Amino acid sequence: ETGVTQTPRHLVMGMTNKKSLKCEQHLGHNAMYWYKQSAKKPLELMFVYSLEERVENNSVPSRFSPECPNSSHLFLHLHTLQPEDSALYLCASSHGASRGYGYTFGSGTRLTVV
Amino acid sequence: DQQVKQNSPSLSVQEGRISILNCDYTNSMFDYFLWYKKYPAEGPTFLISISSIKDKNEDGRFTVFLNKSAKHLSLHIVPSQPGDSAVYFCAVTNYGGSQGNLIFGKGTKLSVKP
Repeated sequence: ETGVTQTPRHLVMGMTNKKSLKCEQHLGHNAMYWYKQSAKKPLELMFVYSLEERVENNSVPSRFSPECPNSSHLFLHLHTLQPEDSALYLCASSHGASRGYGYTFGSGTRLTVV
Repeated sequence: DQQVKQNSPSLSVQEGRISILNCDYTNSMFDYFLWYKKYPAEGPTFLISISSIKDKNEDGRFTVFLNKSAKHLSLHIVPSQPGDSAVYFCAVTNYGGSQGNLIFGKGTKLSVKP
């Protein structure tokens, strides 16, 4: 257990479903991130929250909607996804000043869109 | 176009020998470099980092080398152990950038054979 917990670990959803991914950290970090890992591709940054405000959105489709209600929790709301959105979704957190240790990642949610 | 390239998707090494993982980057503005290790069904975990003011950083069996003129980074593992078998990601960032600008390579899968 790294200190960053993601639920669920696995999710299968239809293209018309609405679901949410949850991430929780109690490391005292002040920044949280969503990354997407597709097969044979680099980890892709999706969203960044710093002090609960979104600071970066790398042109992610609107069918992905993040929410950060407080510094310990991060959600990714999913609706009308496509099969190509099937991937491993990773949450990470960091202390902004602690670049020397990078990010702490959760174990990820393996998402399959059918 | 990829800013961080790990050109070897896989590497196989005998136990006790040296493993050398390579990474190339394109932007000379990057000034902090990290290596992450990822086991199946787990998120990436931070391994070792180096800033651009250094050319070598050592931590136990792991050493990272930085060649700024060549924009090349490498990770040496000596001696390699079967438990080192994992996917290794190179990541880069720059202090002047916004939070969340860790850019990852595609990863190299290391297999250490007993």
